[in-house]
Amino acid sequence: EVQLVESGGGLVQPGGSLRLSCAASGFTFSRYIMSWVRLAPGKGPEWISYITGTSDSMLYADSVRGRFAISRDNAKSSLYLQMNDLRAEDTAIYYCAKDGTVVPSGPWLDTWGQGTPVTVSS
Amino acid sequence: QSVLTQPPSVSGTPGQRVTISCSGSYSNIGSNYVYWYHHVPGTAPKLLIYKNDQRPSGVPDRFSGSKSGTSASLAISGLRSEDEADYYCASWDDSLRGRFFGGGTKLTVL
Repeated sequence: EVQLVESGGGLVQPGGSLRLSCAASGFTFSRYIMSWVRLAPGKGPEWISYITGTSDSMLYADSVRGRFAISRDNAKSSLYLQMNDLRAEDTAIYYCAKDGTVVPSGPWLDTWGQGTPVTVSS
Repeated sequence: QSVLTQPPSVSGTPGQRVTISCSGSYSNIGSNYVYWYHHVPGTAPKLLIYKNDQRPSGVPDRFSGSKSGTSASLAISGLRSEDEADYYCASWDDSLRGRFFGGGTKLTVL
């Protein structure tokens, strides 16, 4: 069974940093593109970033480019999101998601984790 | 304002057929595939439709997707109480170079 489990969320002050992790199991992690998506209260989902299986390509949403960094460790079947210079508008539940394809394409996210909450507040 | 526009809410009675629309532009829906997701708050979002009209295994055929021009629709037939959830469309945008979701539609089963 494909499973994704996020961790690392919490309460952080504006300007602070946080590192999210996502542990994957049940599939050949190194083959697939992985993404981070966030969902803020009262809003639709916002795709944040994706990374290819070999880490040779990453893409970011304009809202986080330069502040967030996506990475992966295929040996550990783990995905990460380093979040710096956090702002109140970054408050959301953060989900990691597995792409349904091994090449970059549209938002074909066939498996999602349960999410980890991030609150940015003083 | 979302790149993809959905009605905030729709409702229906058990057994009824409802449709949820998703309106975009040439650079997103008009040129790329559309995907649909189902989300019950507190749970993991679930892929319902991929590549406009394809259902992943395990998704009932009560759910169907379609696309025409710069708009797409999700139809749910034989409405059930467990279909009550938030539904989101999504697509790639060639101009903005990113993946975008609609603002979401809350389905209420009366």
